Amino acid sequence: AQSVTQLGSHVSVSEGALVLLRCNYSSSVPPYLFWYVQYPNQGLQLLLKYTSAATLVKGINGFEAEFKKSETSFHLTKPSAHMSDAAEYFCAVSENSGYSTLTFGKGTMLLVSP
Amino acid sequence: EAGVAQSPRYKIIEKRQSVAFWCNPISGHATLYWYQQILGQGPKLLIQFQNNGVVDDSQLPKDRFSAERLKGVDSTLKIQPAKLEDSAVYLCASSQLIRGSGTDTQYFGPGTRLTVL
Repeated sequence: AQSVTQLGSHVSVSEGALVLLRCNYSSSVPPYLFWYVQYPNQGLQLLLKYTSAATLVKGINGFEAEFKKSETSFHLTKPSAHMSDAAEYFCAVSENSGYSTLTFGKGTMLLVSP
Repeated sequence: EAGVAQSPRYKIIEKRQSVAFWCNPISGHATLYWYQQILGQGPKLLIQFQNNGVVDDSQLPKDRFSAERLKGVDSTLKIQPAKLEDSAVYLCASSQLIRGSGTDTQYFGPGTRLTVL
């Protein structure tokens, strides 16, 4: 069965600092991996997804994530945080090609201070 | 392109009452998903439709939850009777598989926040 673990329910950074949000997955087959962002009172928006092409995936808003099979990780990074990045971030895994069946982590709230 | 629409945005009911949520997916999207997001947790899939057929409803509490997608477009999720533990945000998502993309991308609506008193 697939599962996702996100380390840290809250991460605090200063504006301009590196953002690192951690995600580890468990899957019995090569997985598809996703990062979503959720702003208050809004639905989830896709940041990026890994579909077994390049291991380094670039997404929107300057975010990127690297798939590391040996570490079963898919950590999300951004070189320089902006105040507008403050939101909740969810990592998700799917074992299905075609139409996905997503299993989400519990989320990490990113706090950005001036 | 219009996104996934959901209504109502907020609903407050008392336990044992019934409630219904509505979702209109992105035009042309064949697959529709309903998720439950309890405070402090990630979304959990309740049911997945492909056109107007159910693909996966293994996590839907069928004694009180029901969902339908008539004509393969709009969908309704119903809870009857509601319990306190049903307080959550109910998210609807839709997707369309693009050939060669490996897997679909789900687009989420803003959700309906349900409070059961």
